[in-house]
Amino acid sequence: GESVGLHLPTLSVQEGDNSIINCAYSNSASDYFIWYKQESGKGPQFIIDIRSNMDKRQGQRVTVLLNKTVKHLSLQIAATQPGDSAVYFCAEKVTGGSYIPTFGRGTSLIVHP
Amino acid sequence: DAGVIQSPRHEVTEMGQEVTLRCKPISGHDYLFWYRQTMMRGLELLIYFNNNVPIDDSGMPEDRFSAKMPNASFSTLKIQPSEPRDSAVYFCASSFNRGGTEAFFGQGTRLTVV
Repeated sequence: GESVGLHLPTLSVQEGDNSIINCAYSNSASDYFIWYKQESGKGPQFIIDIRSNMDKRQGQRVTVLLNKTVKHLSLQIAATQPGDSAVYFCAEKVTGGSYIPTFGRGTSLIVHP
Repeated sequence: DAGVIQSPRHEVTEMGQEVTLRCKPISGHDYLFWYRQTMMRGLELLIYFNNNVPIDDSGMPEDRFSAKMPNASFSTLKIQPSEPRDSAVYFCASSFNRGGTEAFFGQGTRLTVV
């Protein structure tokens, strides 16, 4: 989930398990949400997005769930692989406004073989 | 397109020296962002441009930091004079803001000020 304090939240899973990474957003007017993955030594990369008129969207091995009532976003990764080890960030946007990708501290996912 | 290109990838400099980081956004993108990433503060937005015009520089930490975008294909972030606490990874990102699209990030410049 979103970090508090100075330490990055960490999720450790075994290879093959499913992973769920959570994110709480702040702006109730936000209507577009994105998950990014950042591998060591690289910039953040787009994984999947979702608009507020949906509550679920699926990609390849990833699913994003949106709960607007509690302003919560989650990223589910099926059959987690060592290559999924990275820091995951969520970002929010209000359509029609300037798109300023604002990121939380992120969650570190560690996949053990 | 080759994506967002940043240079240099690594920079080591002595305290007090001027540092210039460079970015080439993706062609056609009208937004350009500069971020700084540290373990302590995570990914911080420093400044962003729309159509080459600086829109919000409230994230720039001090007057020692400045950014320019002389044309649609090039931007610089300058630190003068540099200090050890400026050591971080600096990312440039660009996006095409129509209908809601994601930002594309460069590989970053790892700056070490000694």
